[in-house]
Amino acid sequence: GNSVTQMEGPVTLSEEAFLTINCTYTATGYPSLFWYVQYPGEGLQLLLKATKADDKGSNKGFEATYRKETTSFHLEKGSVQVSDSAVYFCALSPNGYKLSFGAGTTVTVRA
Amino acid sequence: DADVTQTPRNRITKTGKRIMLECSQTKGHDRMYWYRQDPGLGLRLIYYSFDVKDINKGEISDGYSVSRQAQAKFSLSLESAIPNQTALYFCATSDRTSGLTDTQYFGPGTRLTVL
Repeated sequence: GNSVTQMEGPVTLSEEAFLTINCTYTATGYPSLFWYVQYPGEGLQLLLKATKADDKGSNKGFEATYRKETTSFHLEKGSVQVSDSAVYFCALSPNGYKLSFGAGTTVTVRA
Repeated sequence: DADVTQTPRNRITKTGKRIMLECSQTKGHDRMYWYRQDPGLGLRLIYYSFDVKDINKGEISDGYSVSRQAQAKFSLSLESAIPNQTALYFCATSDRTSGLTDTQYFGPGTRLTVL
């Protein structure tokens, strides 16, 4: 079946530090891959996505590259801000609409 | 105004009670979804609907039912609530015409506590 494994949190960083959240997946075929972000008290919103191997998704300074050879989609940001404090979810879709989510990683950025 | 709204935002109920959670959207999307979020488990799909006459079970539909009253409204019911249904529930929508892969838009969530 389809599944997503992401690094456990919580992750605590200082402002301007480098952030990486690991995500690996198991799926048949060629799924689309996503990162969603959940700010405190809000629903999830799409951060970035990639639909085929070697695609790089990017948004708000975050990047992730679809690596089929390592079945990974790691999220990175070079310099985090306090406003990046949130829960980050890696997800995959094998068919374009149903999503399978990872457990989520809580990130706290301290000033 | 929010594109995807959920009511109520918080609900505390007792075991055995019937509960309905409602979701409305103004995005004009045809696809709607219900998820539950539990700590350490991420989000899991309960039900999804492609249109008013097309409703499908997700991975954890037992104990839940849904109704798609109109394109814009999708309700989730717990016929007889039990404590392990205590969770954060999210509604989401997507548009099948958005390309190869849908982007889902989430409501703010309903926090349900079953005592």
